[in-house]
Amino acid sequence: EPEVTQTPSHQVTQMGQEVILRCVPISNHLYFYWYRQILGQKVEFLVSFYNNEISEKSEIFDDQFSVERPDGSNFTLKIRSTKLEDSAMYFCASSLAGGQNEQFFGPGTRLTVL
Amino acid sequence: AQSVTQPDIHITVSEGASLELRCNYSYGATPYLFWYVQSPGQGLQLLLKYFSGDTLVQGIKGFEAEFKRSQSSFNLRKPSVHWSDAAEYFCAVGVRRTASKLTFGTGTRLQVTL
Repeated sequence: EPEVTQTPSHQVTQMGQEVILRCVPISNHLYFYWYRQILGQKVEFLVSFYNNEISEKSEIFDDQFSVERPDGSNFTLKIRSTKLEDSAMYFCASSLAGGQNEQFFGPGTRLTVL
Repeated sequence: AQSVTQPDIHITVSEGASLELRCNYSYGATPYLFWYVQSPGQGLQLLLKYFSGDTLVQGIKGFEAEFKRSQSSFNLRKPSVHWSDAAEYFCAVGVRRTASKLTFGTGTRLQVTL
């Protein structure tokens, strides 16, 4: 069964460093998403992406964040200068079409900022 | 903006007992509704979804949920819980448009005693 994969599973970085979180969505999906879950809190939407551009972003997704689909398979989330409060589990998701279609989630990348 | 409330942070049930997890949403129109399950260290797996039609929806692993518009609720039920059902359960709402983000509740942690 096709699945969303994410690498790395755990990333530790120093405050102020740049990190890139990688995702491989399901191959025929067209819509891509990033969510995050701070420890003990709910899952929060960051950004959605379609046709090589951002469809929607939350207020969390400020200028420090960017997304990219550099090739036909990967979908990345870059945090330019990490802060302590960026420590969280980051989930990538994809869907075949927008709206009605369900979003399939990856296993997540745990980001720890020291 | 849409929102989701899961009033129960933690529920403990005995194996074989019935289960109901509560979810209330706030949205001006009929939303898309989802239940996801997250096992420790895992991603989010879709249990079931409601888009339209029959208000009682069946999902995987023997779960079902009922959409009640008058109560703005989408409670998850299972007639007989198994020890392997111990996990965190998230209710989520999506709006009816392309690349809709999901808004999650805070989750209910289910513990199953033998």
